[in-house]
Amino acid sequence: EVQLVESGGGLVKPGGSLRLSCAASGFTFSSYSMNWVRQAPGKGLEWVSSISSSSSYIYYADSVKGRFTISRDNAKNSLYLQMNSLRAEDTAVYYCARDLIAAVAGMDVWGQGTTVTVSS
Amino acid sequence: DIQLTQSPSFLSASVGDRVTITCRASQGISSYLAWYQQKPGKAPKLLIYAASTLQSGVPSRFSGSGSGTEFTLTISSLQPEDFATYYCQQLNSYPGAFGQGTKVEIK
Repeated sequence: EVQLVESGGGLVKPGGSLRLSCAASGFTFSSYSMNWVRQAPGKGLEWVSSISSSSSYIYYADSVKGRFTISRDNAKNSLYLQMNSLRAEDTAVYYCARDLIAAVAGMDVWGQGTTVTVSS
Repeated sequence: DIQLTQSPSFLSASVGDRVTITCRASQGISSYLAWYQQKPGKAPKLLIYAASTLQSGVPSRFSGSGSGTEFTLTISSLQPEDFATYYCQQLNSYPGAFGQGTKVEIK
């Protein structure tokens, strides 16, 4: 079964750091571009970051640029999001998602999400 | 950056109704548009990609059309399981912005 499972969410104080992980199974992880998408409570979807299959291309939303770092370990079938200098507005459910076709056709496999709460 | 505007933001409809949701891009994005369905507490589900290609396993009552700056998602006969929030996303260039969403509720 094709599956993505996120972990690492939790409660963190403003200015703190958190590292999210996404474990992939059931498909050849190293062949796909991957993404992080977030959803603040009661709000819509926000694309956060993308990374190509070999990590050659990386993109960030302006709202997280300079604070978040996306990475992947194809040997471990895992995607990561290092989040530093966290702000209250980073509070959201964070989803990892697989690109269907080389980042031009949308995201066809999603994890269940992990919740990040930034609060003092 | 490319902005997407969905209309309406909220839609009340009955089972069996034909429903159309529009997504407008602030600049041309060819056919690089996807549609997603999201139910409360669940991850989004890809319905349509490349503006009009039905994702595998998605019922044929869903269809997409458009290119350039104007796109539509149509549900030909609304079913009880279709009550959800729908989002468009542009994939022409980064950042891959989403529309603000259209919530479809039962009339």
